Amino acid sequence: GAVVSQHPSRVICKSGTSVKIECRSLDFQATTMFWYRQFPKQSLMLMATSNEGSKATYEQGVEKDKFLINHASLTLSTLTVTSAHPEDSSFYICSDLPAGYYNEQFFGPGTRLTVL
Amino acid sequence: AQSVTQLGSHVSVSEGALVLLRCNYSSSVPPYLFWYVQYPNQGLQLLLKYTSAATLVKGINGFEAEFKKSETSFHLTKPSAHMSDAAEYFCAVITNAGGTSYGKLTFGQGTILTVHP
Repeated sequence: GAVVSQHPSRVICKSGTSVKIECRSLDFQATTMFWYRQFPKQSLMLMATSNEGSKATYEQGVEKDKFLINHASLTLSTLTVTSAHPEDSSFYICSDLPAGYYNEQFFGPGTRLTVL
Repeated sequence: AQSVTQLGSHVSVSEGALVLLRCNYSSSVPPYLFWYVQYPNQGLQLLLKYTSAATLVKGINGFEAEFKKSETSFHLTKPSAHMSDAAEYFCAVITNAGGTSYGKLTFGQGTILTVHP
């Protein structure tokens, strides 16, 4: 299967700052990548679908101006949490959907964001 | 819309005992179903998937799941639990993405498996 990396694995920031999280597909080209958020003791919730070369598609209730997604290449998608607040503290996980894998996503190791 | 429900947020078994994690789905079309495992502070690893082929699906680490249309279930089992199986398990279903060529995953609430000596 595909290997997906995320950077950083853990970040602590002050309220009001912006944080960028990178998601890389290491061995497949991925025109489609997904961003999930997981609060403590909860399931994964899809935030947005990242499409290479076009605008991301956000799920209902997710603020597109707060969670900026850029998918400028076939192997890299970035999520920027702008003006982060403590309620944005969460575990952010990305996944990719390699070409030919219609129904199997490969997940990154996640990024733990803590906003003080 | 497709959805999954996991019965039991916590399951505790003894080492060597049978593991049974329950998942029921709701879908108006034949579903694609998945089981993932998540260890603390890590991403998700695919255990197995059902894609309308064989109804009994074998996965990694000795896990298997059986698709039962009549019961709308896709329960995960393992004959003999190991300490290393302690983790959180998620059942998921592909949700139609409406006009796209891919499906989006919808996850169940998760079941934490504890294995005690």
